[in-house]
Amino acid sequence: DIQMTQSPSSLSASIGDRVTITCRASQSISSYLNWYQQKPGKAPNLLIYDVSTLHSGVPSRFSGSGSGTDFTLTISSLQPEDLAIYYCQQSYSLPLTFGGGTKVEIK
Amino acid sequence: QLQESGPGLVKSSETLSLTCTVSGGSISSSSFYWGWIRQPPGKGLEWIGSVYFSGNTHYNPSLKSRVTISVDTSKTQFSLQLRSVTAADTAVYYCARLLHGNSGDSWGQGSLVTVSS
Repeated sequence: DIQMTQSPSSLSASIGDRVTITCRASQSISSYLNWYQQKPGKAPNLLIYDVSTLHSGVPSRFSGSGSGTDFTLTISSLQPEDLAIYYCQQSYSLPLTFGGGTKVEIK
Repeated sequence: QLQESGPGLVKSSETLSLTCTVSGGSISSSSFYWGWIRQPPGKGLEWIGSVYFSGNTHYNPSLKSRVTISVDTSKTQFSLQLRSVTAADTAVYYCARLLHGNSGDSWGQGSLVTVSS
């Protein structure tokens, strides 16, 4: 199985801050990397697929980058509604696997 | 839209059964697999397995010996059976639509299943 490691596990930032979350795969996954946002008590929502393609309706302040084993999710200007846990997920090979999550809190 | 249904409480050693009803789109679309993902309370996400409208399935090796996922296109439903459950199987179970089998672009609201002794 491909292991996905996210860092940090949690962060606290102020409204308007630029926030960066990192995801590292245990082997190369090419561009098969997706990001999800899970708000408290809700199902995950797809934010970005294939490293950098924004899912329909996702605000442009979210962006993704990377390739191979190292990937980044960036929120350019943190908003109150971005309070959530963010997960990366690889779809390069089965079983599909997720990172452990990064909890984003608002200062 | 996707909606999970099934018992919220299952006894240890018995079988967990959940159904996901798909509405507003075709379950027979060639673009999608249909998957089950679970999340133990306070923990991360685990992919259980996926099914194609043809009945082709993929399972997580960690659960493969206990899992069956099936599809009923006439009812626009797909189902999960997890046998011989233990307390470790207590989780919120989500059904999801997987674009090209890769990314979950639509999810159900989730169904909490508690395994009791």
